Amino acid sequence: KQEVTQIPAALSVPEGENLVLNCSFTDSAIYNLQWFRQDPGKGLTSLLLIQSSQREQTSGRLNASLDKSSGRSTLYIAASQPGDSATYLCAVRHLGQNFVFGPGTRLSVLP
Amino acid sequence: GAGVSQSPRYKVTKRGQDVALRCDPISGHVSLYWYRQALGQGPEFLTYFNYEAQQDKSGLPNDRFSAERPEGSISTLTIQRTEQRDSAMYRCASSPRSLGTGPYNEQFFGPGTRLTVL
Repeated sequence: KQEVTQIPAALSVPEGENLVLNCSFTDSAIYNLQWFRQDPGKGLTSLLLIQSSQREQTSGRLNASLDKSSGRSTLYIAASQPGDSATYLCAVRHLGQNFVFGPGTRLSVLP
Repeated sequence: GAGVSQSPRYKVTKRGQDVALRCDPISGHVSLYWYRQALGQGPEFLTYFNYEAQQDKSGLPNDRFSAERPEGSISTLTIQRTEQRDSAMYRCASSPRSLGTGPYNEQFFGPGTRLTVL
């Protein structure tokens, strides 16, 4: 059974810092991995989707990498802003199956 | 509509009552998913549909939970004889394609329904 963990559980950084969020999964035979952002009272917003054949994806200040063999993905946020404060979730999927989510990392960017 | 919508946004009910949660996916999306999310945890898969067919209901915790999508669009998740342990955020997501039909099968989530069972 696939298990997904995220470290750290919570992170507080001053504005402008670069930061890395980590996601680990136990079964490396994944089809893809998706990073989401969750804001209180709102749905999950998709940030980046990485296919198993890809090493990384970039969108603006966000960069997500995938090392399938070691069961790890990282989300890099450059020049963090207070508006980046949210919970960040990673989810992995096997072919034909549904996403398995991690518990999330709660990020606070202090002005 | 512009995105996935869910109603009601908040539902408070007494133990033993039945509740029905509604999900209206993005127009034209083939697949629809239901998740349950406890506080401080990631969403946990319940069930999903391709069009009107329920493809996987392995995540439904027991037979008090059921879901339908009769016309391949709007879906309803029904919980019968609610219990306090059913209290959670219930999230719906849709995606443009079926699972397994391509890698770029991104899920789009609705705002969720917060269920509280007293």
